[in-house]
Amino acid sequence: AQSVAQPEDQVNVAEGNPLTVKCTYSVSGNPYLFWYVQYPNRGLQFLLKYITGDNLVKGSYGFEAEFNKSQTSFHLKKPSALVSDSALYFCAVRDSSASKIIFGSGTRLSIRP
Amino acid sequence: DAGVTQSPTHLIKTRGQQVTLRCSPKSGHDTVSWYQQALGQGPQFIFQYYEEEERQRGNFPDRFSGHQYPNYSSELNVNALLLGDSALYLCASSFRAGGEKLFFGSGTQLSVL
Repeated sequence: AQSVAQPEDQVNVAEGNPLTVKCTYSVSGNPYLFWYVQYPNRGLQFLLKYITGDNLVKGSYGFEAEFNKSQTSFHLKKPSALVSDSALYFCAVRDSSASKIIFGSGTRLSIRP
Repeated sequence: DAGVTQSPTHLIKTRGQQVTLRCSPKSGHDTVSWYQQALGQGPQFIFQYYEEEERQRGNFPDRFSGHQYPNYSSELNVNALLLGDSALYLCASSFRAGGEKLFFGSGTQLSVL
């Protein structure tokens, strides 16, 4: 069975500093990995995905994520945080043999001016 | 190009009642997935419809059922509502059942009293 874990309920970062939001996963086959962002009273918006290839993937709004197969991790990163990055971030995974996408519990990112 | 639309946006029901939520996928998409998001939690996968059939199902009781129409729109039905069914119900569409990117609607907020 596939699963995904986000160990931090909240991450607090000062504007201009780098940020990292952690994610680990478990699948039986090859992982398809995703990050989504949710703003208040809105649905989820796609940020980026890893299917295959380069371990560092770039996405929307300056975000990037690093796939680490040995650590089964897919951490979200940004070199310089903006106040507008404050939102709820979800990591998600799909097993290559299944079609359903499973989401983590979410990490609330708070960027202080 | 319309995105994913869901109706209604808000709904209040009492225990034991039945509810139907509706979703129109993004233009060009043929697959609809439904998620339940309780307050402060990540989206939980309910089921996925493709070619008018339920293709994958999460860990939800039979009280949760769905339908997909030839125009790809979908309904989520919940019978015998419980207080614990109160949540934001999200519809996501994609192209093909193994679609790599989900597009989400803004959701239907269901309150069960």
